[in-house]
Parts: sequence; C-alpha cells; structure tokens
Amino acid sequence: NAGVTQTPKFRVLKTGQSMTLLCAQDMNHEYMYWYRQDPGMGLRLIHYSVGEGTTAKGEVPDGYNVSRLKKQNFLLGLESAAPSQTSVYFCASSSGSNQPQHFGDGTRLSIL
Amino acid sequence: AQSVTQLDSQVPVFEEAPVELRCNYSSSVSVYLFWYVQYPNQGLQLLLKYLSGSTLVKGINGFEAEFNKSQTSFHLRKPSVHISDTAEYFCAVRDSSYKLIFGSGTRLLVRP
Repeated sequence: NAGVTQTPKFRVLKTGQSMTLLCAQDMNHEYMYWYRQDPGMGLRLIHYSVGEGTTAKGEVPDGYNVSRLKKQNFLLGLESAAPSQTSVYFCASSSGSNQPQHFGDGTRLSIL
Repeated sequence: AQSVTQLDSQVPVFEEAPVELRCNYSSSVSVYLFWYVQYPNQGLQLLLKYLSGSTLVKGINGFEAEFNKSQTSFHLRKPSVHISDTAEYFCAVRDSSYKLIFGSGTRLLVRP
C-alpha cells in the first residue's frame, strides 16, 4: 500500500539552484496538492490540480511551478531556490473536493 | 475568506487524563471540517471528518469531535490519552474553492 510517495526525502540546495520534487500516488485520485509546512504556520497550499493536465495556484505560489502530465504524478519545481523556501514540503491527493486528503511523508528542503 | 484558529499551540497532559483540543472556524459556505494528526517525521493522517449529519463525529484512536454551528467550533476530545497520542494535531476547513484551510496546529504532549 504505497499511497502517496514523495521523492526525495531530504535535499540541501544552494541559493539559485533549481530542483524538482516528485509526488506519485497509486490511488487513481483526481485531485493532487502541494503544501509547505513552516513552524507555527500550519500547512499552506502552494499549487493544486483537479485532474491530469490542469493546475491552479494556491495560497503561496510565488517561486514555484507545477506540472501534472500524468494523473498519478504531480511535480513541484523551484526554478531559482531562495533561503525563504527552506521548508518541509508535503504532497497530498484526494478522490474529490469533499474527500479526505492522503499525505506523503514529506520532503525536507534546506536552501543555503 | 475562510479561516481556522487553533488557540493552543501546545497542550501538556498526563497519561490517562482527558484532553480537549480547540478549533474555531469561519466560513460563509457549507461547512466541511477535518482533524488530522501528524506524528514526528511523518505526513498528516486523517483522524475524523464532519461533512453533514450527526454533530458528534467519532474517529480513529478513540478521538471524537463535536460540530457546534452556533459557536463555530469543532473541538477534538479524547477521554483518556496515551503516551502514543503525543503528536501535532491540525484542524482544517474546506473553503469555497474546495481547498483545505489548515489551522496552525496544536502540539499534544502526553506525560507519564
């Protein structure tokens, strides 16, 4: 029962570098989400997708891009990493807008 | 805009004592509410949800929550906690755009 799998689990970047975080789900869910979690702030939505080929901005989209080329995958890209993007990133998926979201174990990203 | 307030950032309690974690929300649309739990270095797991029907909702691990429309609250309770309940708990409300808005979290610390 893989559920939602995030790759990588940890990463350290230098300011200005780029990278892509991968999220894969095996539950055939239509909806997928990317959040960032910072101390004392809960989870904030970065981008989300309501189906293959669609993406939309969430609460804190600046500095990030996403793609949903395949239904099971949702990629989060950082084009030019900044120290303010140091955070723990969570991917989630759900079968519908009213249904519970299933979360991955997170990616801890540090930008120096 | 919808919002969620968790007033207590940390709640210490002794093992086998009862606990209540408070959550207040603001919403101008039909209310869908969730409680999630996050254990260290893991993603979020659904504890329980309120979509409609009975205002008393039972979840996993002996937790329950009561939806109170007049007080716009959705407090989480457990009559007797265990050491293993030590974790961070997040309340969330679905907003008008079908996205989840999370509270800032409450850290439950169960002491022997």
